[in-house]
Amino acid sequence: EAQVTQNPRYLITVTGKKLTVTCSQNMNHEYMSWYRQDPGLGLRQIYYSMNVEVTDKGDVPEGYKVSRKEKRNFPLILESPSPNQTSLYFCASRSPGNYGYTFGSGTRLTVV
Amino acid sequence: DQQVKQNSPSLSVQEGRISILNCDYTNSMFDYFLWYKKYPAEGPTFLISISSIKDKNEDGRFTVFLNKSAKHLSLHIVPSQPGDSAVYFCAARGINNAGNMLTFGGGTRLMVKP
Repeated sequence: EAQVTQNPRYLITVTGKKLTVTCSQNMNHEYMSWYRQDPGLGLRQIYYSMNVEVTDKGDVPEGYKVSRKEKRNFPLILESPSPNQTSLYFCASRSPGNYGYTFGSGTRLTVV
Repeated sequence: DQQVKQNSPSLSVQEGRISILNCDYTNSMFDYFLWYKKYPAEGPTFLISISSIKDKNEDGRFTVFLNKSAKHLSLHIVPSQPGDSAVYFCAARGINNAGNMLTFGGGTRLMVKP
């Protein structure tokens, strides 16, 4: 089944403790992206990647890092999480000729 | 300032009637628009899209209308079904980017009552 898989689905952590949210896709898509969803703000792009070793900032990149060492994986790293990063996070991927992203099921992160 | 706005946070419709979800944008450089549907505990799923060179696109019960002069698009669902109850996001893509920057609206929660 074609899908984007994120882990974990739920995570509660403390301020300052480094964490990684993994994302993997099995569709051989070149483009991958991370979004966060907050009430009333819709989905805002954090980082995106157009291919292996090619990444760029989205609208809200502060406090996040990403890497794209392999085509299928695009982890999101929070080096020192803060409470304002409490949010619902989505990873997504697409192929160059298709504007519609395929989204993962989401990761609900709470930073206390 | 949000470039894509969905001014109705929620909408309630009777089963069988028409649902109309609205979306306004401010950036005239947007050239492609998409609607996504999101159920609780799931990621958004692509529903329908429209290019700025068109004013209407239809797919079964779903039709998207684009009014470029008013910078307004709408999603019509006819007839509405209880399974359509979800949050709907509109999104827009700018001409001068690689397509990775989709700007989303804040979403509208649709409730279809049996």
